[in-house]
Amino acid sequence: GDSVTQMEGPVTLSEEAFLTINCTYTATGYPSLFWYVQYPGEGLQLLLKATKADDKGSNKGFEATYRKETTSFHLEKGSVQVSDSAVYFCALGKTSYDKVIFGPGTSLSVIP
Amino acid sequence: NAGVTQTPKFQVLKTGQSMTLQCAQDMNHNSMYWYRQDPGMGLRLIYYSASEGTTDKGEVPNGYNVSRLNKREFSLRLESAAPSQTSVYFCASSPSRKGEGSYGYTFGSGTRLTVV
Repeated sequence: GDSVTQMEGPVTLSEEAFLTINCTYTATGYPSLFWYVQYPGEGLQLLLKATKADDKGSNKGFEATYRKETTSFHLEKGSVQVSDSAVYFCALGKTSYDKVIFGPGTSLSVIP
Repeated sequence: NAGVTQTPKFQVLKTGQSMTLQCAQDMNHNSMYWYRQDPGMGLRLIYYSASEGTTDKGEVPNGYNVSRLNKREFSLRLESAAPSQTSVYFCASSPSRKGEGSYGYTFGSGTRLTVV
């Protein structure tokens, strides 16, 4: 069945470091791909999305490119801040689904 | 613009008690969902409603019931709470209609439930 795999956490970075969180998926057809962020004590928020191959989603300095050839949607940010400390979830959705499939989440801590 | 509103935010129940978690959205979304989030388990779908008047089981429906009261409201009921139901519960909604696929979700801020 369709699934999403993310890199294991927790990830700890110093402020202003470069961030990459890997995400790969298994799915037939052409899914939409999403990154969600969950700050401590809050619900998940949609961070960015891409709906077709080679699309780049971007928001708040974060970017991810839909790579169909490698079935990947890696999240990147050039310079992280302490306020980026959160759990990040990769997810996919398809026309045939009524629901989104979430990855397990990757916890990020940014230290000053 | 409230988005998805969940009540209550916190609740402590004794084993065997019942309660209903409320969820309402004001975005005219068609689909609504209930998830639970537990440490190391990620998000697990309990029930969902792809359109008003329909509900379907997710991964972990045992011990729960749901009602899609109208297009705005989707409630989750625990008939006889157990310690294993201690969790954080999230409601979410999506504009997707059944079979249209996913445009992504809007989540509520969660209900933190402890069963003792």
